[in-house]
Amino acid sequence: DVKVTQSSRYLVKRTGEKVFLECVQDMDHENMFWYRQDPGLGLRLIYFSYDVKMKEKGDIPEGYSVSREKKERFSLILESASTNQTSMYLCASSPLNSGNTIYFGEGSWLTVV
Amino acid sequence: GDSVTQMEGPVTLSEEAFLTINCTYTATGYPSLFWYVQYPGEGLQLLLKATKADDKGSNKGFEATYRKETTSFHLEKGSVQVSDSAVYFCALSGGSYIPTFGRGTSLIVHP
Repeated sequence: DVKVTQSSRYLVKRTGEKVFLECVQDMDHENMFWYRQDPGLGLRLIYFSYDVKMKEKGDIPEGYSVSREKKERFSLILESASTNQTSMYLCASSPLNSGNTIYFGEGSWLTVV
Repeated sequence: GDSVTQMEGPVTLSEEAFLTINCTYTATGYPSLFWYVQYPGEGLQLLLKATKADDKGSNKGFEATYRKETTSFHLEKGSVQVSDSAVYFCALSGGSYIPTFGRGTSLIVHP
């Protein structure tokens, strides 16, 4: 069965802390994504990666960075967390070819205080 | 660029009512179309998909038909249950690696 695993479901961090959100997929997918979900705004793409060590900015990359050292793992980094980054973060993966289903993790709820 | 427009919610229905959630899209070429569902506190999961014009996707009593002439992919279910309460996202995947999602429609079903 397809599996995208996000390491933390719920996190509370302080303003200014460096935060790591980890995501692992077991489907050998080339594409991996990080989205942010906020009420009324739908899903917003933060970063996207189509291969190891490759990354592309999405719609809202400011304040975030990513790392993809291995094919199965895609990490989202908040260099200095701020309260406006309190949100639900969703990791996803899909095969290389367009038109394929995208598979999501269960989400990480981050609260920055 | 590609875009997906779906009706705003929340949609509030009584159990056993008929459901329609409208979705229209703009895309070049021939995208694949999807409906994803997000239950409370969870990530999104695929509900159904259609890959070419006139295809009908179906799952768990939900259906949607890929209508190229009207650029639509409306979600329907004949009799909703309380357990169908969730947020539903219409999406397309075309020439880009990056899928395009609608904003989501919240469905609330009352007993």
